[in-house]
Amino acid sequence: NAGVTQTPKFQVLKTGQSMTLQCAQDMNHEYMSWYRQDPGMGLRLIHYSVGAGITDQGEVPNGYNVSRSTTEDFPLRLLSAAPSQTSVYFCASSYGRTGNTEAFFGQGTRLTVV
Amino acid sequence: EDQVTQSPEALRLQEGESSSLNCSYTVSGLRGLFWYRQDPGKGPEFLFTLYSAGEEKEKERLKATLTKKESFLHITAPKPEDSATYLCAVRDYGGATNKLIFGTGTLLAVQP
Repeated sequence: NAGVTQTPKFQVLKTGQSMTLQCAQDMNHEYMSWYRQDPGMGLRLIHYSVGAGITDQGEVPNGYNVSRSTTEDFPLRLLSAAPSQTSVYFCASSYGRTGNTEAFFGQGTRLTVV
Repeated sequence: EDQVTQSPEALRLQEGESSSLNCSYTVSGLRGLFWYRQDPGKGPEFLFTLYSAGEEKEKERLKATLTKKESFLHITAPKPEDSATYLCAVRDYGGATNKLIFGTGTLLAVQP
């Protein structure tokens, strides 16, 4: 049982480059979300989705786009990378549409923007 | 403003030395409080969900409790493998955004 799979695990980007962080889950969860984790700060929600075709903004959405074409996949796109986006990114999924159940997290993507 | 504060920031224990971690929260209407464990270089791993004051849950050496203002994670006779960062998060009824609000965590080190 793979759970939540994120790729890549590490990435270095130059300022202005774009890229997509991949996230896939095999638990048929409706609720999926993206967080960033920075030193001294708690995990902060970037975007979330309550099902295929439905996405919404979280706490820190600027500079990021998401889409949800299938239940399994929830990619996060960085449009034009900035040094402030250097962070560790986590994708999570949970049962139901409210997100008020235990979340399963991926292993994270460590992104450095130079 | 919704807020979650965890204390202490870091805690060092000897193997077998019991202690507690604190998570205090300010939300308009608690919908659930979650505890996660995070090992270095990995994603958070779910431990407990508590939904109402007075509720308690246990798993091995860990016990989580909840009051109207805070939650405690009690660690009884810890072992070195309990070393990790413990995260607390709350979900609020009244927020416009459906989100978990995370604390910054307590880094626990258990020495043999």
